Amino acid sequence: AQTVTQSQPEMSVQEAETVTLSCTYDTSESDYYLFWYKQPPSRQMILVIRQEAYKQQNATENRFSVNFQKAAKSFSLKISDSQLGDAAMYFCACHLGAQKLVFGQGTRLTINP
Amino acid sequence: EPEVTQTPSHQVTQMGQEVILRCVPISNHLYFYWYRQILGQKVEFLVSFYNNEISEKSEIFDDQFSVERPDGSNFTLKIRSTKLEDSAMYFCASSPERGLNQPQHFGDGTRLSIL
Repeated sequence: AQTVTQSQPEMSVQEAETVTLSCTYDTSESDYYLFWYKQPPSRQMILVIRQEAYKQQNATENRFSVNFQKAAKSFSLKISDSQLGDAAMYFCACHLGAQKLVFGQGTRLTINP
Repeated sequence: EPEVTQTPSHQVTQMGQEVILRCVPISNHLYFYWYRQILGQKVEFLVSFYNNEISEKSEIFDDQFSVERPDGSNFTLKIRSTKLEDSAMYFCASSPERGLNQPQHFGDGTRLSIL
């Protein structure tokens, strides 16, 4: 079975500090993409960052970066200099097979001012 | 920036009734998807749609469900004989092409409440 697991239901961080959200996955596919989506209270899921499995270099988008450990099947998201607007549910997702995304359970991130 | 739009934002329906959830994907996108998120649970894939036919569906997507692209812009999910357990947030998504590197763009979702 192809699964994505986020073991942290909730996380909190002080504004301007750094936080890391964990994600592990399990797949027998040789090529796949990994994504982090953000779902703020407005509900729309927004793509934060993506990583292609065969690329060893970790993806970075401004304050967001990933730590991709392919052998360990781990794909964590680091948010630097946390801002109040970063508060949201964060979903890790794996793009497998044809087209479907397989999501983790989500991590609710709170930013403390 | 173009967006996926979904209507209504909240739908309340009596058990046993039929409901149609509507989505307008981004205009130049070719692949369309429906996902479901039951309260407190993870987002689950329901179905993908391309070239006017279903390309992949999950075990959840049984005969109770159907999808349609009735015109050039709308993409609908129909749920017949709704059950209490169909209560969930339903997300529509679209992507421009097929391929693992194509991110799916999501709508705001429709909250479906079955009474």
